[in-house]
Amino acid sequence: DIQMTQSPSSLSASVGDRVVITCRASQGISLYLNWYQQKQGRAPTLLIYSSSTLLSGVPSRFSGSGSGTEFTLTISGLQPEDFATYYCQQSYTRPFGFGPGTKVDIK
Amino acid sequence: EVQLVESGGGLVQPGGSLRLSCRGSGFNFRNYAIAWVRQTPGKGLEWVSSIGAVGGGTHYADSVRGRFTVSRDNSRNTVYLQMSRLGVDDSAVYFCAKDRVGVAVADTLDSWGQGTLVSVSS
Repeated sequence: DIQMTQSPSSLSASVGDRVVITCRASQGISLYLNWYQQKQGRAPTLLIYSSSTLLSGVPSRFSGSGSGTEFTLTISGLQPEDFATYYCQQSYTRPFGFGPGTKVDIK
Repeated sequence: EVQLVESGGGLVQPGGSLRLSCRGSGFNFRNYAIAWVRQTPGKGLEWVSSIGAVGGGTHYADSVRGRFTVSRDNSRNTVYLQMSRLGVDDSAVYFCAKDRVGVAVADTLDSWGQGTLVSVSS
């Protein structure tokens, strides 16, 4: 199975900050990488698929990049509603594993 | 509006069985693959199973293969997850989710239900 890791596991940031989250795959997955946001007590929501494509309706302050084994999610100008946990997920091969998550909370 | 609603969770003894349901609305249900994903505080998110739209091809994580069976009834807009020989490690919130565009397998999940809690305990 492909193992997904994320760093950092948590971070504290202020409104307006630029936040970067890294996701690594244990083997190459081309561009088959998705990012989800999950708020406390809610289901995850898809933000980005195919490494860098924003789902319709997702604010442009979110961006994704990377290919192969290393990927990043960037939030440019953190907003109060962005405080949440972010997960990466590979969609390259079954089982479609998720990373352990990065919790973004308020500094 | 796309909606997915899970039901059927509850408390079950180890070795027991449970059937989860996921009813979809607001989209052409029969055209989309549906996945089950579970979440625990300790193990995070785990993709469990997927069923395709056409022909209903099924796929499972190794951790549940042989114990869980996914099926769908497109006339009822519902996907089922039959879980048997449950163990404590199966305790989790179970979400169903639809694939963004996929017919064969659900791997990019653009709409999720609210989840249903399964607790396996004696």
